[in-house]
Amino acid sequence: DGGITQSPKYLFRKEGQNVTLSCEQNLNHDAMYWYRQDPGQGLRLIYYSQIVNDFQKGDIAEGYSVSREKKESFPLTVTSAQKNPTAFYLCASIPMGGVRTEAFFGQGTRLTVV
Amino acid sequence: GEDVEQSLFLSVREGDSSVINCTYTDSSSTYLYWYKQEPGAGLQLLTYIFSNMDMKQDQRLTVLLNKKDKHLSLRIADTQTGDSAIYFCAESKDTGRRALTFGSGTRLQVQP
Repeated sequence: DGGITQSPKYLFRKEGQNVTLSCEQNLNHDAMYWYRQDPGQGLRLIYYSQIVNDFQKGDIAEGYSVSREKKESFPLTVTSAQKNPTAFYLCASIPMGGVRTEAFFGQGTRLTVV
Repeated sequence: GEDVEQSLFLSVREGDSSVINCTYTDSSSTYLYWYKQEPGAGLQLLTYIFSNMDMKQDQRLTVLLNKKDKHLSLRIADTQTGDSAIYFCAESKDTGRRALTFGSGTRLQVQP
């Protein structure tokens, strides 16, 4: 079955440490997105990529970095520059072609700073 | 800029209908969506509607779109305890970054 897999489900980070969240999709979607979710808030866009080897900042990119070396993979690194990284992170993918722009979501990674 | 707003909480009794409301500001939105999120999980697409439609029905779900007022609603008929979750309204366009812009979510609590 096609889908999006995020790992790990739970991640703990020490102060000053970089961590990388994995997102893999086998839907053959061109576009991939990273969102951050805080309690009582909607999802905010961190970074997105519509084609391999290209990515763009979203609305809250500071303190994060991404890469898109393969179509299937869009890892997110939370750097030490991100001052408040504790949140639920969701990865999504969207097909660029076709009439319907439907985003498929992974099950999320909950990151906690300890 | 883009903005999507929803009320934060709705409580209904099992068997009643639930109506969750959403307003958006971007008149160029192409698609409007309703997603469901259960605790600790990702988002599940419930239904979507094109901006040139005014109603869509899918089993217990009815979506109404008032494009003039930029108002979207989701009606769940015969609400069950399993419908308790957070419901997100979102919009996107068919051009540009294509990213979804989300409301803050409505927590639906179904009382037995």
